[in-house]
Amino acid sequence: EPEVTQTPSHQVTQMGQEVILRCVPISNHLYFYWYRQILGQKVEFLVSFYNNEISEKSEIFDDQFSVERPDGSNFTLKIRSTKLEDSAMYFCASHTITEKLFFGSGTQLSVL
Amino acid sequence: GDSVTQMEGPVTLSEEAFLTINCTYTATGYPSLFWYVQYPGEGLQLLLKATKADDKGSNKGFEATYRKETTSFHLEKGSVQVSDSAVYFCALSGLQGGSEKLVFGKGTKLTVNP
Repeated sequence: EPEVTQTPSHQVTQMGQEVILRCVPISNHLYFYWYRQILGQKVEFLVSFYNNEISEKSEIFDDQFSVERPDGSNFTLKIRSTKLEDSAMYFCASHTITEKLFFGSGTQLSVL
Repeated sequence: GDSVTQMEGPVTLSEEAFLTINCTYTATGYPSLFWYVQYPGEGLQLLLKATKADDKGSNKGFEATYRKETTSFHLEKGSVQVSDSAVYFCALSGLQGGSEKLVFGKGTKLTVNP
């Protein structure tokens, strides 16, 4: 079965540093998403991306966050100045016009 | 806003026991309902789904029925195996214009002992 690939699997950073989380969605997919899960809490929607622009974002997705699809294959999430509360598992997901969503295995971000 | 409430875990069962994980939802309109599973060290995988009232989703021996009258989508399996040990997430989607934004429950960790 095709896979959404996320790198790195674990990222450790200092508070205030910038991080970029990388995702390679499935090649023919058109819709891209980032979700996150703080330990012990719900998986939360962050942002959706279609046709090279953000289609929806949550209130969590403030000015510190940005997404980009720089080269037609990668889909990145950037956090400009990380805070302790950004520590979470970040999931990338993608799908075609059909409903099935494919998730990556996640990047565990630890902000110290 | 839309929300999903699922049974708190963790749940520990013996092999071949019956499993129920409760899930209820609040939503405007007519959402699609999903169960996702996360095995240790892996991403979220779609387990089953139902897109309208009274639909039953099923996969790998798991079943869930979309009950509009009780706003529920409980997950069941008649005989669990050790390999079913995972975290299970109930979710809903109000698919709009092709874009799918999922609202998840907190997840229920299931451990099945031999």
